[in-house]
Amino acid sequence: EVQLVETGGGLIQPGGSLRLSCAASGFTVSSNYMSWVRQAPGKGLEWVSVIYSGGSTYYADSVKGRFTISRDNSKNTLYLQMNSLRAEDTAVYYCARFYTLVQAFDIWGQGTMVTVSS
Amino acid sequence: EIVLTQSPATLSLSPGERATLSCRASQSVSSYLAWYQQKPGQAPRLLIYDASNRATGIPARFSGSGSGTDFTLTISSLEPEDFAVYYCQQRSNWSWTFGQGTKVEIK
Repeated sequence: EVQLVETGGGLIQPGGSLRLSCAASGFTVSSNYMSWVRQAPGKGLEWVSVIYSGGSTYYADSVKGRFTISRDNSKNTLYLQMNSLRAEDTAVYYCARFYTLVQAFDIWGQGTMVTVSS
Repeated sequence: EIVLTQSPATLSLSPGERATLSCRASQSVSSYLAWYQQKPGQAPRLLIYDASNRATGIPARFSGSGSGTDFTLTISSLEPEDFAVYYCQQRSNWSWTFGQGTKVEIK
């Protein structure tokens, strides 16, 4: 079965760090473009970051310099290291596969909630 | 960055009615426009890619059209399970953007 399962969310104080994980099954993370997309409570979707199959990484301006996307090919897992967290980073974080053949996010995880609050 | 503007923000309709949702891009995205459906507490689901192609398993009542800067998602006859929020999305170079969403609610 093709699926993505995110873990690692929780409550963290402003300025803190958190690492999210996204375990994939049914396909190979390293052969695909993989992204993180977030959704603040009651708000719309916001693209956060992408890692290309070749390893290049890109970020939204709102997280550049604070977040790092990476992957572990042996574990078929995607990560998002989040540092210097702010209240405005509070959101559900989804990992998703961007399928280049259709130029769309075709597989999504169930999401993990990150709350940044003191 | 390309901005996607969806309208209307909310669409109040009854089951069986036709829904027409709009997505306008601040500059041309060719046909590289996708639509997603999201229900409360769930992840988004891909409906339409390349502006007019239905994703696997998506019913024929969902259709997409448009190119360049103006796109439309049409639901020909609303079923109870179609009441949800719909987002459009584009990719340009190394940046992805979503529209702000259209909520289709029961009238």
